[in-house]
Amino acid sequence: DAGVIQSPRHEVTEMGQEVTLRCKPISGHDYLFWYRQTMMRGLELLIYFNNNVPIDDSGMPEDRFSAKMPNASFSTLKIQPSEPRDSAVYFCASSLSGNHEKLFFGSGTQLSVL
Amino acid sequence: AQSVTQLDSQVPVFEEAPVELRCNYSSSVSVYLFWYVQYPNQGLQLLLKYLSGSTLVKGINGFEAEFNKSQTSFHLRKPSVHISDTAEYFCAVRTYKYIFGTGTRLKVLA
Repeated sequence: DAGVIQSPRHEVTEMGQEVTLRCKPISGHDYLFWYRQTMMRGLELLIYFNNNVPIDDSGMPEDRFSAKMPNASFSTLKIQPSEPRDSAVYFCASSLSGNHEKLFFGSGTQLSVL
Repeated sequence: AQSVTQLDSQVPVFEEAPVELRCNYSSSVSVYLFWYVQYPNQGLQLLLKYLSGSTLVKGINGFEAEFNKSQTSFHLRKPSVHISDTAEYFCAVRTYKYIFGTGTRLKVLA
């Protein structure tokens, strides 16, 4: 299995631009999580999906952030417009059903907003 | 709601010395507890997990953790660390969603 695949690996953009991060979870996994990692705040849960349905988006910082999961094999996290304080590493992770199941993480997207 | 507190942001330790990384949690319901490790420029990988049963859990790379319900703690230990253990370690709890602590950076010194 290829694991959780995220793209792009690095993204550099200018303030005000739209940014789209992509994630392909492991086939068969029905949970998908988006996290943001910064030095100051650690690993923050932004949103998670179960069977393609957003369950909890309380961690999304503001309306500039949106996430979709149109099917079981693809999810996007969009920031519009982007701001310098959005600079961080964004991780996608997936898991099988069951609270005892571990998360499988992608390699992350390093976002820099100038 | 649940939360996780990792009391130490950074822990330096000499090679072959023992180490303990501390984790405390709070939750109004039963939780599952996890420790993950993150090597530079990589995603997180599972070290070990506590679901039920024995309170001492053994994981990969010689790490172990002890669940203490009365103290709501899940501290990670290793009796003898190696240079290759230098990484960031995250404690996590899961009820319906996965919450991570802020991480502890373990630096093993030669």
